[in-house]
Amino acid sequence: DSGVTQTPKHLITATGQRVTLRCSPRSGDLSVYWYQQSLDQGLQFLIQYYNGEERAKGNILERFSAQQFPDLHSELNLSSLELGDSALYFCASSLGGSKNTEAFFGQGTRLTVV
Amino acid sequence: GENVEQHPSTLSVQEGDSAVIKCTYSDSASNYFPWYKQELGKGPQLIIDIRSNVGEKKDQRIAVTLNKTAKHFSLHITETQPEDSAVYFCAATASGYSTLTFGKGTMLLVSP
Repeated sequence: DSGVTQTPKHLITATGQRVTLRCSPRSGDLSVYWYQQSLDQGLQFLIQYYNGEERAKGNILERFSAQQFPDLHSELNLSSLELGDSALYFCASSLGGSKNTEAFFGQGTRLTVV
Repeated sequence: GENVEQHPSTLSVQEGDSAVIKCTYSDSASNYFPWYKQELGKGPQLIIDIRSNVGEKKDQRIAVTLNKTAKHFSLHITETQPEDSAVYFCAATASGYSTLTFGKGTMLLVSP
């Protein structure tokens, strides 16, 4: 158990809908990362938050947004869903800051858009 | 931004053999290089990491080497076992504020 909790584990929804994925980081971790993993694809970086502020943005679609709350949990919002958005979405957390520390991943949310 | 290349994309070995996975990175500012193992249906699990102030690190059957001049680092697994079969990802980053950039992964298959 990495200590990073993602909910829900599975999500099936229709095209055009909106969903919210939730991530609770490890206790004490300030940095949260979101990654998308499609079939046979690597880990595509979406967005990073550090202590409530957006730190880095990857190839995140405009239909996607995220935030990190004061209690440090994070949510990834996916709207106007398309079939191609079906993927595994992972959250990772680390202490963050100026010194690199280990990043630990949650078990992921498997999103299926039908 | 950082770009990480990983080779090979697939690797098949016999149980007991060694396996080597190689990665190169582009950003000379990168100083932290973790390796992750991802089993089917699970999240990536950190198995070993190395920082730029060391050239090699070992943990039982797993070792990682780093050549900062050439900007490449490698994962070495000795005495492979069937349970080592998984997808392995390398990554690089410059600081805790920066993105953790991953390679595309290597599927390792260890045959009994």
